[in-house]
Amino acid sequence: EAQVTQNPRYLITVTGKKLTVTCSQNMNHEYMSWYRQDPGLGLRQIYYSMNVEVTDKGDVPEGYKVSRKEKRNFPLILESPSPNQTSLYFCASSWGDRNIQYFGAGTRLSVL
Amino acid sequence: DAKTTQPPSMDCAEGRAANLPCNHSTISGNEYVYWYRQIHSQGPQYIIHGLKNNETNEMASLIITEDRKSSTLILPHATLRDTAVYYCIVRANFNKFYFGSGTKLNVKP
Repeated sequence: EAQVTQNPRYLITVTGKKLTVTCSQNMNHEYMSWYRQDPGLGLRQIYYSMNVEVTDKGDVPEGYKVSRKEKRNFPLILESPSPNQTSLYFCASSWGDRNIQYFGAGTRLSVL
Repeated sequence: DAKTTQPPSMDCAEGRAANLPCNHSTISGNEYVYWYRQIHSQGPQYIIHGLKNNETNEMASLIITEDRKSSTLILPHATLRDTAVYYCIVRANFNKFYFGSGTKLNVKP
């Protein structure tokens, strides 16, 4: 089944403790992206990747890192999480000019 | 500044057409308009997209004004399962996506 898989689905952590949210897709898509969703603000793009070893900033990249060492994986890294990064995070992947994105089920992160 | 503006909520009677507006007055010539919907807090699902011309698929129609400053998503026969938050999105520079704050569509029996 074609899917985008995020782990973990729920995470509670404390300020300053490094964490990684994984994202994996099995559709051989070139394009992958991370978003955060906060109440009343819709989704905001954090980082995206056009292909392996090619990443670029979205609208709200501060406090986040990403890497794309393999085509199927695009982890989101929070080196020193802060409470303002408490949010619902989505990973998405797509391919081709139409760039129709398939989204994962989301990761709900709470930073205390 | 937000690239898209949407009303926060709309109601629609079951079986009737739902017309969801979006304002994107600062859109550039090569920027596409996409529509996605989100049910509860699940991952958003693609509905339709377009550049200049009106588009139709099995789910919906997209009407883009001639000056491209606004668009309307039309669900021709809304059902209760269409109750969701609908996002109007501008795709800029081919790779960046700017979501609006969404319209909560309530389909009522």
